[in-house]
Amino acid sequence: QVQLVQSGAEVKKPGASVRVSCKASGFTFGTYGFTWVRQAPGQGLEWMGWISAYSGNTNYAQNIQGRVTMTTDTSTSTVYMELRSLRSDDTAVYYCARVVTSGGNYFDPWGQGTLVTVSS
Amino acid sequence: DIQMIQSPSSLSASVGDRVTITCRASQTISNYLNWYQQKPGKAPNLLIYAASSLQSGVPSRFSGSGSGTDFTLTISSLQPEDFATYYCQQSYSTPRTFGQGTKLEIK
Repeated sequence: QVQLVQSGAEVKKPGASVRVSCKASGFTFGTYGFTWVRQAPGQGLEWMGWISAYSGNTNYAQNIQGRVTMTTDTSTSTVYMELRSLRSDDTAVYYCARVVTSGGNYFDPWGQGTLVTVSS
Repeated sequence: DIQMIQSPSSLSASVGDRVTITCRASQTISNYLNWYQQKPGKAPNLLIYAASSLQSGVPSRFSGSGSGTDFTLTISSLQPEDFATYYCQQSYSTPRTFGQGTKLEIK
């Protein structure tokens, strides 16, 4: 079945970096784009950016541009999100999702989420 | 950036009720509007895309309408499993933006 499986929870100190992975299965990886969305504790959803698995093109949210890098590995059907110079307000659950562009433009399915905690 | 405003922010309703959640965009977004349901501790799940298209596998009691700047999500007869938080999201331009969420609670 179509699914995205993310890596496990991380605890990082302020100023460190974190890399979250998202492994896709059940569909042709290289024909889709992928997005990352984060959710701080008790808060709403925040779009972080997008990467095309076909071209490698990216588009990042302005508030994290310069600290984030999204990449793909087509040999393993995996998407990665690296966030650097972590701050306490980066503490959140990070979700990957496939971007579907047929009939619209929407996120489906989503990974199960990865909790990243930034604490000294 | 396009701002998405949902109303209400929270809503109490009973099983069997008809419920409507609205979403307003700060500028026209045609029909580039999606709705997601999120249950506690779970990832969001797509319900409606392109304003009114029901995602495969989603019960037909869910429906969406609207175009331009004003959109609605309607649940025709609430079921116990529908108590959750609902988010609208525009896919007209980047950055993609979400509404602040509507928490649907049991009365």
